[in-house]
Amino acid sequence: DAGVIQSPRHEVTEMGQEVTLRCKPISGHNSLFWYRQTMMRGLELLIYFNNNVPIDDSGMPEDRFSAKMPNASFSTLKIQPSEPRDSAVYFCASTPGGANTGELFFGEGSRLTVL
Amino acid sequence: AQSVTQLGSHVSVSEGALVLLRCNYSSSVPPYLFWYVQYPNQGLQLLLKYTSAATLVKGINGFEAEFKKSETSFHLTKPSAHMSDAAEYFCAVRSGGSNYKLTFGKGTLLTVNP
Repeated sequence: DAGVIQSPRHEVTEMGQEVTLRCKPISGHNSLFWYRQTMMRGLELLIYFNNNVPIDDSGMPEDRFSAKMPNASFSTLKIQPSEPRDSAVYFCASTPGGANTGELFFGEGSRLTVL
Repeated sequence: AQSVTQLGSHVSVSEGALVLLRCNYSSSVPPYLFWYVQYPNQGLQLLLKYTSAATLVKGINGFEAEFKKSETSFHLTKPSAHMSDAAEYFCAVRSGGSNYKLTFGKGTLLTVNP
């Protein structure tokens, strides 16, 4: 079975540009998470969806960040405008939901560099 | 609120030596606990998980962890380190119920010396 698929794997952009990161969760998984990883702050939860509905977006840094999940098989994380401090690895993860232990399955990550 | 503290951001061992990575948690309800491993330029992979069954949990690659409620700990061990174990290890906690949010520790980088 395919795992969580993220694109792009690497993105280099200039400050002020719009960045869109994409994620396809594992088929049948009901919950989807976006995490950000940096050396300084470690792994931070940005937002999570359950059945395509945002449940907790308290980790979204500011209004420049937005996330959508239009259907069960696709989610985007958008940064507009981007800033150098947004440089990080962004991970998408999914979990089956329901009565389960909540183990997360992670994608390979999208490494973002904002110049 | 739930939280995780990993003691030691960097642990270095010799090949064949015992690996001990420490994790303490805070949770208002009985937790689910996880250890993940991250190899360079990859995502996180589950090593093992505690789900209120046996307190000693065995995972992949010879790792195991013991849940100690009295100490609020979930330390990760492996009797004999291998060069391929070099990676970053993350402890995570989930408080259960319908909230699937995992809170991760800062991570411990394991170096294995020949």
